[in-house]
This record gives sequence, structure tokens and C-alpha cells, in this order.
Amino acid sequence: QVQLVESGGGVVQPGTSLRLSCAASGFTFSSYGMHWVRQAPGKGLEWVAVISYDGRNKYTAQSVKGRFTISRDNSKNTLYLQMNSLRAEDTAVYYCAKDYISTYSYFDYWGQGTLVTVSS
Amino acid sequence: DIQMTQSPASLSASVGDRVTITCQASQAISNYLNWYQQKPGKAPELLIYDASNLKTGVPSRFSGSGSGTDFTFTITSVQPEDVATYYCQQYNTLPFTFGPGAKVTIK
Repeated sequence: QVQLVESGGGVVQPGTSLRLSCAASGFTFSSYGMHWVRQAPGKGLEWVAVISYDGRNKYTAQSVKGRFTISRDNSKNTLYLQMNSLRAEDTAVYYCAKDYISTYSYFDYWGQGTLVTVSS
Repeated sequence: DIQMTQSPASLSASVGDRVTITCQASQAISNYLNWYQQKPGKAPELLIYDASNLKTGVPSRFSGSGSGTDFTFTITSVQPEDVATYYCQQYNTLPFTFGPGAKVTIK
């Protein structure tokens, strides 16, 4: 069965960096687009970034553009989110999600999330 | 960006009631509209894709309809396990955007 397991979250100070990982199993990782979606405490869902199956196409939300980078290593079945210049407003649970197709459509499976807290 | 609105923001229903949530897009999105369920403390799960298609394994009491800018999500006979927040989401245009959510509770 499809499994997505995020890791790398924690408490960091404003202005620092963090890299999240999402380990995928139960499907052919290299065939599907992947996303990051976040949820601030007590708030709704916010899409963050998407990467195509081969890593050649990437899009990020304006709120994180220039600070966050999505990437993937298909040899390791792992998705990444490099987060730089972190701000208090980046505090959230970060979910990775599998796309239904090779580029982007809907998110048919989600991980359990990893909490990132940005605080001094 | 396409803005998504949902109504109502919250509702309380009795077991067996019919529950309806609406979602409106700020511009036409064809049928590129999905519905997710998020139970308390859990990750979201896909229920309905492309406005009206039920994901395999999702109970048939859940349904969706609509096209263009106006969409509807229905639970025909709400059950205690349906307590959750329901989000609509468009993928017609990047960036993908979610509605603010509709919280369903049981009386």
C-alpha cells in the first residue's frame, strides 16, 4: 500500500534553514508528481510546491518563492523540501502528497505530516 | 490566484441527516475540483476528484456535483465517523488553492 513518511521537522529560529524529507513506498515513485502542502496551527490547508515525476518541472507558491525549493531523488524514492530564511509564519504541519498522475492533478495519498515551528 | 469559498463554515447535524456544503470558485475551473476530508489530528484524505468521482473505497453516502464556478458536496446520511473538516480544492490553475474548510459536527 502507498506510504508517505515525512521527517525533518523541528523547532528552529527565524532566518535559519531546514530540510524536510518524505520517504515513499508502495508505488512507483518515479512515475508520479509530488506535492508539499502545509497547515498552520488551527488553520486551513495551503499548497506549497509541486514537482513533476522526473523533477524537470517545479512550481512553488508565491508565499515561499525564492526561499523554499522542492526536489526529489527517484533513486531513493524520496521527496525533499529545502526551506531557507524561515519566518514565524512558516510554522505549520508540512504534508507531502502524491499526485494521481505524472505532473499535477489531485492529491490521492498524503503522509502524516511533520511539524515545523519557527520561533526565537 | 483563484479564490475558493465554502459555505457554511461549520454545521451540526444529527446522525442520518443530509449534509450539504457548497464551494465557489472566483473563476471558472471546469470540473477540476476535489474534496478532502480531514478528521481531527489526522492528515487530509481525498474523497472526491474531478467534482463528482468518488475515490475507490470511499462510502457511497459521499457525493459531489457541479462545474464551472459552483460545486456541491453532500453526505446523504451523516454518520458519527464523518466528524471532520471538509475542504474543496481546485487544480485548474496554479497555484492550487483550497477553500477555508467546512467543519461538520454531530449533535
